[in-house]
Amino acid sequence: EIELTQSPGTLSLSPGERATLSCRASQTISRNYVAWYQQKPGQAPRLLIYDASTRATGISDRFSGGGSGTDFTLTISRLEPEDFALYHCQQYGTSPWTFGQGTKVEIK
Amino acid sequence: EVHLLESGGSLVQPGGSLRLSCAASGFTFNNYPLSWVRQAPGKGLEWLSYISGRGSSTYYADSVTGRFTISRDNSNNTLFLQMNSLRGDDTGVYYCARGDVVFHYWGQGALVTVSS
Repeated sequence: EIELTQSPGTLSLSPGERATLSCRASQTISRNYVAWYQQKPGQAPRLLIYDASTRATGISDRFSGGGSGTDFTLTISRLEPEDFALYHCQQYGTSPWTFGQGTKVEIK
Repeated sequence: EVHLLESGGSLVQPGGSLRLSCAASGFTFNNYPLSWVRQAPGKGLEWLSYISGRGSSTYYADSVTGRFTISRDNSNNTLFLQMNSLRGDDTGVYYCARGDVVFHYWGQGALVTVSS
C-alpha cells in the first residue's frame, strides 16, 4: 500500500501568513489522485481539495493544491483564524486508499 | 443539505461484536456509494470499507476483511457496519462518508472502544 508522509508535523504561523503543507508518497500516485481534508477538534473532516488541485464546493480560493507524481502540496495563501486546524492528505490512485498522519497548523 | 448521522458506538469487550448505523438525508441515497473511515486515538484516518449505490459491490481494507461487513438499506436511507471479532486496535471514531474514493460529506462519528 502507498504510504503518505506529511510534513511538517506541526506548523506554527500567525494569521495572515502563508502556509505550505507537504504530502509525500512512497510511490507515484496514479493520475495525481490526491485529496486534502481539514479537521477541527471534535469535528468530522471536511473535503478541501481533490484530484490534487480541484477545490471542493464552497471552499475558499485561499486554499490551493498542487503537485504531481509523489510530491503534493496544500497552500493556504493568507491564514484566517478559522484555518487553524489539522490537515490530512489522502491518495485514491491505488487501492487501498490511504491517508497521511496529518499536519497541525497552529497559531504562533 | 446533506446530513449523515452515525449511531451504535459503545464500549465492547475484545472478541465482541457491534453494529454501527448511519442515517442519511438531503440527497438521493441510492445514487451514491458510501464508505466507512475510522480514526484511532491520536492517529491518522484509515479507510475501511466501501459499498456501491445499489449495494452490489463492496470492498474492504485488509485490516477488517473477514471481520467487518458493510451493507445498506436503500429503502430507509441507512448504511451499516457489522463488526465482529473486535480487537483493541479497532478502538476509534468511526465515520460514515459519502463517496467511494473521495469523501465529500462526513458524519460526526461514532466512538467505539474495545476494552475489557
